[in-house]
Amino acid sequence: ETGVTQSPTHLIKTRGQQVTLRCSSQSGHNTVSWYQQALGQGPQFIFQYYREEENGRGNFPPRFSGLQFPNYSSELNVNALELDDSALYLCASSLDSGRASNEQFFGPGTRLTVL
Amino acid sequence: AQKITQTQPGMFVQEKEAVTLDCTYDTSDPSYGLFWYKQPSSGEMIFLIYQGSYDQQNATEGRYSLNFQKARKSANLVISASQLGDSAMYFCAMRDLSSGYSTLTFGKGTMLLVSP
Repeated sequence: ETGVTQSPTHLIKTRGQQVTLRCSSQSGHNTVSWYQQALGQGPQFIFQYYREEENGRGNFPPRFSGLQFPNYSSELNVNALELDDSALYLCASSLDSGRASNEQFFGPGTRLTVL
Repeated sequence: AQKITQTQPGMFVQEKEAVTLDCTYDTSDPSYGLFWYKQPSSGEMIFLIYQGSYDQQNATEGRYSLNFQKARKSANLVISASQLGDSAMYFCAMRDLSSGYSTLTFGKGTMLLVSP
């Protein structure tokens, strides 16, 4: 069974640029959630995709967008990068059955630095 | 309103001793789940233990146990016989369905340092 993978591991961009982060979910999982973790903080929920549709979003502006593909892998796109977007971006996959006990399996994260 | 509160920014413990990491939560949903994750410096979130709101007994996983006090809305993590490899950030998280979909809300974390 393959775990959650993310690419790239590290990324450096400048203000105003656009970035795409990728996530491959664990085999059999149909739900992917993205989180932003600023330095010294807990992860903050960005959005969640279930069967290729966005079904939940946190308090993030529209320049944060995403996709989920038929194989349930996912992309996080951020346009017009700002310095505050510098963070660790975590992807988590789960098999969503609508139960609170569903465990989310996290990937190793992508560390984004915006200069 | 903050849903998960971790009041201890940092904790120190000696090797082989037990340590308790505090977590309080707030939700109006009667069905929810509480999770603890460990995050080493590498960044990956490692699942440690889960407690469901309807579970009658406190969860245990090896050296980890969860002291669940539902009336006080607390879910403290107890690590017994601390090891040097336990040094990491620890996050308490809650999943409920009050927002209409299930996702995790995290606290700010507690940094645990285990000394020899």
